[in-house]
Amino acid sequence: NAGVTQTPKFRILKIGQSMTLQCTQDMNHNYMYWYRQDPGMGLKLIYYSVGAGITDKGEVPNGYNVSRSTTEDFPLRLELAAPSQTSVYFCASGYTEHYGYTFGSGTRLTVV
Amino acid sequence: AQSVAQPEDQVNVAEGNPLTVKCTYSVSGNPYLFWYVQYPNRGLQFLLKYITGDNLVKGSYGFEAEFNKSQTSFHLKKPSALVSDSALYFCAVRDRARGNNRLAFGKGNQVVVIP
Repeated sequence: NAGVTQTPKFRILKIGQSMTLQCTQDMNHNYMYWYRQDPGMGLKLIYYSVGAGITDKGEVPNGYNVSRSTTEDFPLRLELAAPSQTSVYFCASGYTEHYGYTFGSGTRLTVV
Repeated sequence: AQSVAQPEDQVNVAEGNPLTVKCTYSVSGNPYLFWYVQYPNRGLQFLLKYITGDNLVKGSYGFEAEFNKSQTSFHLKKPSALVSDSALYFCAVRDRARGNNRLAFGKGNQVVVIP
C-alpha cells in the first residue's frame, strides 16, 4: 500500500549511542516532516524538508540531524543518544499546503 | 506565529451521546485547519480539513467540524458516539502566509466513549 514507511518500529539505545530512523514515502510528496510525540505534549516538529536537498529546523532540532538526498527518503539521525530523546517519533509527508499530512506508524525509542 | 489550544485533557461521553472535542487556534493571517485521530500504537490519521468555503466541514467516520472565525474555533463533533471512537484526537493549524509549510498541532484530547 502507498504511504509512509518507518523503520524500525521499536529500538532501545544506550546513552551515547547513535542511530538512524528511516522514513520512506512513495507518493512523490515534496514535503516531509519529523515529529516527536511525548505524553501530554502533543507533537513537536524536529526537522522538515520542502524538497530534495532542502532541510530546515523545527521547534526541537537539538540532538538530531536530517538529510534529504531523494524525494522518497528522509532519515533522522541521533548522534549521541540521551534519555531526553526517549519518545515516539513520527515521519509525515504532504503534497501541497491544502493537503493534510500522511503519517507513518511511528518508531518507539527508549534511551537507557 | 501559529498555535492550537485543546483545553481538555480527556473527554468522557456515553455511547450514543453527542461528542464534542474543542479546539481554538491562533494565526496572524487566515488558517487552514485539520483534525487527526490516533488509535493506540498507530500513526495519526486524517479526519477532515477546512480550507475555504462552507464553515461546516464533514469528514470520515461521521465526524464534522465547524469553523468559527470570530471565536477562532474549530470544534470537532459527532452526533452519536461509538465505543470505537475512543482515541486521541489532534487539532492542527497552518497559517496561510506564503512559504509556511508547517502544521502546528495541539496537545491532543483523549476521548473515552463509555459503553
